[in-house]
Amino acid sequence: DAGVTQSPTHLIKTRGQQVTLRCSPKSGHDTVSWYQQALGQGPQFIFQYYEEEERQRGNFPDRFSGHQFPNYSSELNVNALLLGDSALYLCASSLGMRGLDGELFFGEGSRLTVL
Amino acid sequence: DQQVKQNSPSLSVQEGRISILNCDYTNSMFDYFLWYKKYPAEGPTFLISISSIKDKNEDGRFTVFLNKSAKHLSLHIVPSQPGDSAVYFCAASQTPHSGAGSYQLTFGKGTKLSVIP
Repeated sequence: DAGVTQSPTHLIKTRGQQVTLRCSPKSGHDTVSWYQQALGQGPQFIFQYYEEEERQRGNFPDRFSGHQFPNYSSELNVNALLLGDSALYLCASSLGMRGLDGELFFGEGSRLTVL
Repeated sequence: DQQVKQNSPSLSVQEGRISILNCDYTNSMFDYFLWYKKYPAEGPTFLISISSIKDKNEDGRFTVFLNKSAKHLSLHIVPSQPGDSAVYFCAASQTPHSGAGSYQLTFGKGTKLSVIP
């Protein structure tokens, strides 16, 4: 049973560039959430996708956008990269927006470095 | 404004002893609380949770206590084992008022637990 898979695992970009991160949810899950974890911080909620729609957004600018596909996989896009966007980007999946007992299943993350 | 606070960045405990990790929250609308464990180069994994209608939940060596009046929860690990060495995140959520709405977790900064053999 494949868990949550994310790609790429590591990437380096320069300021102003754009990046796309990908996520495949755990088998049987239909909801994907994205979190940003900066160094020394806890994960911060970016947004959640359910039924191919963005359901809620955290305190992130419009440079952060996403998409969910009919197979429930998801992409996170970040435009006009800033140095402060350097972080670990975590994808989490669940069955339904809340999942069982509120538990989310996280992938290993995509480590983005912006130079 | 941090709504979930873990004031101890690190904690060292001898193997076999009790580990107590603490978490405070400020948002009284939070009604569900979770603990996640994270090893290096891995994503966070769910450990245990508690609803605001309870004050204790136990799962094997792990027990979470909730004190709503103090807006405080703690995770007890007994006995601690070297494999428990990881970063522990406290997280909280708020149930949407209606069937619609999303579900997001608000995390603390984490506490790094080191269990010394």
